Amino acid sequence: KAGVTQTPRYLIKTRGQQVTLSCSPISGHRSVSWYQQTPGQGLQFLFEYFSETQRNKGNFPGRFSGRQFSNSRSEMNVSTLELGDSALYLCASSLSGQSAEKLFFGSGTQLSVL
Amino acid sequence: DAKTTQPPSMDCAEGRAANLPCNHSTISGNEYVYWYRQIHSQGPQYIIHGLKNNETNEMASLIITEDRKSSTLILPHATLRDTAVYYCIVRPTGNQFYFGTGTSLTVIP
Repeated sequence: KAGVTQTPRYLIKTRGQQVTLSCSPISGHRSVSWYQQTPGQGLQFLFEYFSETQRNKGNFPGRFSGRQFSNSRSEMNVSTLELGDSALYLCASSLSGQSAEKLFFGSGTQLSVL
Repeated sequence: DAKTTQPPSMDCAEGRAANLPCNHSTISGNEYVYWYRQIHSQGPQYIIHGLKNNETNEMASLIITEDRKSSTLILPHATLRDTAVYYCIVRPTGNQFYFGTGTSLTVIP
């Protein structure tokens, strides 16, 4: 069974641009969540989607948004990029988000904002 | 959500058992304890999880105290490839994990 797949692996953008990151969860998984990891703030939760609906949202500005498609694939978008948005963005999936379920992470997309 | 406290760093000799402690004194009765590890710039890797009973799998053992306020992850025979940051997480329903700062484990040859 394929794991969580994130594309692209590396991305370089300039300030003010927007970016879209893609995540394909493990087959059968309907819950997809996104995390941002920076050296200063560590791993921080962005949002979670389940059955195409946002179920939870972390403390990030509205420039960060996401969506989930009917096949459970998810995208996250960051508009008006800032230097501080440079980070490793991680996607994770589980069957439905229940407490007893394992959460599986992808390898991440390393975003650099110049 | 329950938060966790872990020592920032630990060393372990190769071939010896690595015992990583975690405090989670505000854990609720239905919240699981999960352990993940992360090697630099890779996604966190699942290790083990448990609710009340001790658990063991091919990677590690998890010991949870009777009052569930703390736990210990045990890597029975540490290798150099076990050098990583280890995160103890109390998981609520949903996938909004709070990772904390974790423990940086260094396995020494």
